[in-house]
Amino acid sequence: DAMVIQNPRYQVTQFGKPVTLSCSQTLNHNVMYWYQQKSSQAPKLLFHYYDKDFNNEADTPDNFQSRRPNTSFCFLDIRSPGLGDAAMYLCATSRVVTPPLFLAKNIQYFGAGTRLSVL
Amino acid sequence: DQQVKQNSPSLSVQEGRISILNCDYTNSMFDYFLWYKKYPAEGPTFLISISSIKDKNEDGRFTVFLNKSAKHLSLHIVPSQPGDSAVYFCAASAGSGTYKYIFGTGTRLKVLA
Repeated sequence: DAMVIQNPRYQVTQFGKPVTLSCSQTLNHNVMYWYQQKSSQAPKLLFHYYDKDFNNEADTPDNFQSRRPNTSFCFLDIRSPGLGDAAMYLCATSRVVTPPLFLAKNIQYFGAGTRLSVL
Repeated sequence: DQQVKQNSPSLSVQEGRISILNCDYTNSMFDYFLWYKKYPAEGPTFLISISSIKDKNEDGRFTVFLNKSAKHLSLHIVPSQPGDSAVYFCAASAGSGTYKYIFGTGTRLKVLA
């Protein structure tokens, strides 16, 4: 049973045409992450939500936005996709406990990803 | 500036032999490490972890070794099976309560029957 579900699995968009990628989870985890992964590269964290708090990575372009309307869903919006935005987009979740327990670390659970093509 | 490096893009091993996947890091603040396995068309799945207070962690056929002085960790798979063929990512985080990880570029393992 898939616990982190990404839709669609494949998305084709046109240069400059806004696109939204979707992620849902059944784990009731409080943190949701979006990663971008290009071919032969490491997954790169774009941003994450800790509950309702949005946390952007310093080098994430403004072209990328995110929404988390509730615990279960998180969206990645690309306002004006460029050719360089073609990539695999991975959503992940984790359950973070606060205050942090000594040596408690949080395993991230990933969806299968959405492969975005930009024409 | 890549803080987590997996310098071998690919590795081929005969079935039944040992697979050794390597990962190097540069940030001495990293204190927790994960290994993920990824099959084609699937998301990465958690495999095994190690804290910096240990130098070894075992889970069945999988063992992770950590050498803090060398800033190096390795994943050993013994014996290797064809179903182990996948891409393996190492990931690192720093500080108690930190819940963000830096990933390596991955190593594609092929286990030959």
